[in-house]
Amino acid sequence: DIQMTQSPSTLSASVGDRVTLTCRASQSISGWLAWYQQKPGRAPKLLIYAASTLQPGVPSRFSGSGSGTEFTLTISNLQPDDFATYYCQKYNAYPFIFGQGTKLEI
Amino acid sequence: QLQLQESGPGLVKPSETLSLTCIVSGGSISSSGHSCAWIRQSPGKGLEWIGSIYYNGDIYFNPSLKSRVAIFGDMSKTQFSLELKSVTAADTAVYYCARRVSLSGIDSWGQGTLVTVSS
Repeated sequence: DIQMTQSPSTLSASVGDRVTLTCRASQSISGWLAWYQQKPGRAPKLLIYAASTLQPGVPSRFSGSGSGTEFTLTISNLQPDDFATYYCQKYNAYPFIFGQGTKLEI
Repeated sequence: QLQLQESGPGLVKPSETLSLTCIVSGGSISSSGHSCAWIRQSPGKGLEWIGSIYYNGDIYFNPSLKSRVAIFGDMSKTQFSLELKSVTAADTAVYYCARRVSLSGIDSWGQGTLVTVSS
């Protein structure tokens, strides 16, 4: 099975920063990647699908890129509400594996 | 707006079967390309996809759980269920039901339900 690896595991940043989170697949998944944001005690929220398509209602400071095996999620002008854990998930074929997550903290 | 709600026991004894149902309201899960999934998250850990059932009845499982998992549902009645057999403490987790639309990620999630495996 394809493995999904996110880096870094934890990222410290400040309000107003621009940060980039990385997700790597052990084999090509084309562009079939989603990004989710999860806050403590809450269900995950879909941010981006198909590697770069913003889910309706998600602020434009979130952007995604990549294809094949390497993907990035960039958050510009960090807001206090953005501090959370972010997960990538492949969905090119089953099983739909998640990465282990990146915790974005102040 | 689509809403999903998990229901089932919050406490299951080791070696028994965990059973959860997801009730869907406010939208469809039976349209072409729709699938519904079960996902879990152990305390302090990441997300683990358990399995998915499609609008046409096709079902897929995480290989690591396949021997113990059953997913079934009547998509036209907007509910689906999960059974996980022979549970251990390692199966203690928040269990989410969710919906995915074709070509997209999982766009609708239940609030999650904590299931604890303990005697």
